[in-house]
Amino acid sequence: QVQLVQSGAEVKKPGSSVKVSCKTSGGTISSYAISWVRQAPGQGLEWMGGIIPILGMLNYAQRFQGRVTITADESTSTAYMELSSLRSEDTAVYYCATSTPEDYVSGSGTFDYWGQGTLVTVSS
Amino acid sequence: SYELTQPPSVSVSPGQPASITCSGDKLGDKYACWYQQRPGQSPVLVIYQDNKRPSGIPERFSGSNSGNAATLTISGTQAMDEADYYCQAWDSSTGVFGGGTKLTVL
Repeated sequence: QVQLVQSGAEVKKPGSSVKVSCKTSGGTISSYAISWVRQAPGQGLEWMGGIIPILGMLNYAQRFQGRVTITADESTSTAYMELSSLRSEDTAVYYCATSTPEDYVSGSGTFDYWGQGTLVTVSS
Repeated sequence: SYELTQPPSVSVSPGQPASITCSGDKLGDKYACWYQQRPGQSPVLVIYQDNKRPSGIPERFSGSNSGNAATLTISGTQAMDEADYYCQAWDSSTGVFGGGTKLTVL
């Protein structure tokens, strides 16, 4: 069973960037599609985008286009999500989650396993 | 953009069935899944591909999806089922979540 371990909490200034990592264990990152989902305080879940490292496939939610970059390092089984031009509304817990590549590509992907979440606080 | 709509809250007595709906345009043409999230924890998949249960999820959880709505049903609701529940589907390669439903077991 895969486990996802994310990097620790961050406090950032408005206008800066943050990069959150997600390391897989119990399975190589090449076996999965990795999505990033965020949750603002007291709010619901929001999908930001995803990557399938083995296919070189990447897609982002339209509202984050141009501000989010998702990458993966297969040698360390680690995925990354970088969000730029941070504003207070980006304060949230950021999760990584896995899907099987086949289901992700076909549009039936479910988020089978989740990381523990990383709290990003944007404050001046 | 595609939207999924859930009731903000549902209440149920212990031992009774609980149903949570998720509405979206032609949702029945897509696969729907459901996540349970307890306070301070990461979401957990409880139903995938409309009506399948991952291993380890109790049989009292079931799902259906047809027309413009998907439904999560919990038969014999227990106190431990009190949580937020989110439906999710894909539209044009974009993941979409419903707004979430807080299930209260009174």
